[in-house]
Amino acid sequence: GQQLNQSPQSMFIQEGEDVSMNCTSSSIFNTWLWYKQDPGEGPVLLIALYKAGELTSNGRLTAQFGITRKDSFLNISASIPSDVGIYFCAGLSSNDYKLSFGAGTTVTVRA
Amino acid sequence: GAVVSQHPSWVICKSGTSVKIECRSLDFQATTMFWYRQFPKQSLMLMATSNEGSKATYEQGVEKDKFLINHASLTLSTLTVTSAHPEDSSFYICSAQVGVANQPQHFGDGTRLSIL
Repeated sequence: GQQLNQSPQSMFIQEGEDVSMNCTSSSIFNTWLWYKQDPGEGPVLLIALYKAGELTSNGRLTAQFGITRKDSFLNISASIPSDVGIYFCAGLSSNDYKLSFGAGTTVTVRA
Repeated sequence: GAVVSQHPSWVICKSGTSVKIECRSLDFQATTMFWYRQFPKQSLMLMATSNEGSKATYEQGVEKDKFLINHASLTLSTLTVTSAHPEDSSFYICSAQVGVANQPQHFGDGTRLSIL
């Protein structure tokens, strides 16, 4: 699959701050996914989005599926130290059901 | 639910050795599993799609004779890196899809392969 445009590449934030990252694509996706990967481990699914315009929350995480179906964002509110990690967006193509990943956003939280 | 187990978690072996990595879906059946490779500070790169009971589909540039995939049951896919060399050292991750095709993939914890 193609690589999605994910930004920012990295961010250093203070504990308690909100975090925002986004992903754009030149192609339409039917499903947008957000994963978090800790060092030496596999990605863990955070949020799955299935409909254009859908806004979904999972605790302090909120993600939206863009109306154009070519973008998505993830917000983390009131960050805590365990939010440290790499966040990946992924789009699922309806053509071949393969995942296309963003390059990842590395989040570092200062206590 | 949707737990994917990968084994072993790390392997160190000599050049020329073949290494087998297992991927199991523990609490669901997966007709399709995927194998990825990840280099440090990079995203996941799809290597192949593993289909239960049929041949795997490899991505462009991935040698099928080098990376043998077997998906003999609905809960197990294996990746064998044959005659591994130092350039094959990487983090290999599998995933499995739950249910219908537009559902998320769930990932194993990865296997760190180091070839000396």
